[in-house]
Amino acid sequence: EPEVTQTPSHQVTQMGQEVILRCVPISNHLYFYWYRQILGQKVEFLVSFYNNEISEKSEIFDDQFSVERPDGSNFTLKIRSTKLEDSAMYFCASSAGPYQETQYFGPGTRLLVL
Amino acid sequence: QKEVEQNSGPLSVPEGAIASLNCTYSDRGSQSFFWYRQYSGKSPELIMFIYSNGDKEDGRFTAQLNKASQYVSLLIRDSQPSDSATYLCAVIGKAAGNKLTFGGGTRVLVKP
Repeated sequence: EPEVTQTPSHQVTQMGQEVILRCVPISNHLYFYWYRQILGQKVEFLVSFYNNEISEKSEIFDDQFSVERPDGSNFTLKIRSTKLEDSAMYFCASSAGPYQETQYFGPGTRLLVL
Repeated sequence: QKEVEQNSGPLSVPEGAIASLNCTYSDRGSQSFFWYRQYSGKSPELIMFIYSNGDKEDGRFTAQLNKASQYVSLLIRDSQPSDSATYLCAVIGKAAGNKLTFGGGTRVLVKP
């Protein structure tokens, strides 16, 4: 069964450093998403991406965040200058279509900012 | 602020019993409703989705949607210890980006 994959599974970084989280969505999916979950809190939407541009972003997704689809398979989230409060589990998701199409989640990258 | 609310639990049910989970949402324009299961430290895994008012059954799971009351529920029949997890209600509204808005989840404990 096709699945979303994410690398790395864990990332430890120093405050102020840049990190890139990588995702390979399901191959025939066209819509891509990033969510995050701070330990013990809700899953929160960060950004959605379709047709090589951002469809929607949350207030969390400020100028230090960016997304890119550098080739036909990868989808990346870059955090330019990490803060302590960026420590969270980051989930990539993809769906075949909008609205009523199920979003399938990858296993997540646990980011720890020291 | 569009909200999705769930009782955090834990909801403790004996093995073989029915677990009933509830979710309310504030965005009256919401159009798609999903139940995900999340084991500790893992990613959300789809249980089922529902778009229309009424009931939808899939194996041991039944989702119920009442758009007038802005209420969606999940019933788990014949609960098994492996059903012990956090159940997340998620909603897609009318905005362009298809974002899922999640509730805080209900923790379910199935006791043998």
